[in-house]
Amino acid sequence: DAGITQSPRHKVTETGTPVTLRCHQTENHRYMYWYRQDPGHGLRLIHYSYGVKDTDKGEVSDGYSVSRSKTEDFLLTLESATSSQTSVYFCAISKTGQKGTEAFFGQGTRLTVV
Amino acid sequence: AQRVTQPEKLLSVFKGAPVELKCNYSYSGSPELFWYVQYSRQRLQLLLRHISRESIKGFTADLNKGETSFHLKKPFAQEEDSAMYYCALLYFQGGSQGNLIFGKGTKLSVKP
Repeated sequence: DAGITQSPRHKVTETGTPVTLRCHQTENHRYMYWYRQDPGHGLRLIHYSYGVKDTDKGEVSDGYSVSRSKTEDFLLTLESATSSQTSVYFCAISKTGQKGTEAFFGQGTRLTVV
Repeated sequence: AQRVTQPEKLLSVFKGAPVELKCNYSYSGSPELFWYVQYSRQRLQLLLRHISRESIKGFTADLNKGETSFHLKKPFAQEEDSAMYYCALLYFQGGSQGNLIFGKGTKLSVKP
């Protein structure tokens, strides 16, 4: 699992409240990603990071912000949660080895916005 | 723009039958393609990648650049193959290591 943990694993929150999801990795990987998984849409990239304080937008970044103040932690924040952000959120890291580049995923965070 | 298309949302077969999960891609660069699998309530995990030309759990996938396809095949499906399968393309923008773009997924159901 490349030492990736996500917290919390489940969260229910009210519309309009801020929410922060945490991704923690223990293997010092440079590249980290946040995806959301929705039926009929597969996985879509929200934001990614290529180093401390270096982040960029993905395909569905509206309504989300991220921060990476240290290598091991990549935070995803919903400033004002909406029902359309109800989803399962996956964090991932990527690493390149002899076999090429591979992504490893966290266990996911199930977020429900009511 | 890069794109991954999995035309089937659901594929249902009987145990022992052959399986083919379709994947087509669009990418102007040299493609690097993957199949990821997600068993019920588990994290996504890599099943195989085209550059390795490997067979994992009886699955194979061949990159066909002419047809821009990377279909996943298994000659005899097993019940434990039931899962969600995602085809993914590694694309590069700027100086990044590469980002993965996923298809919408195909749910494989293998009946006894």
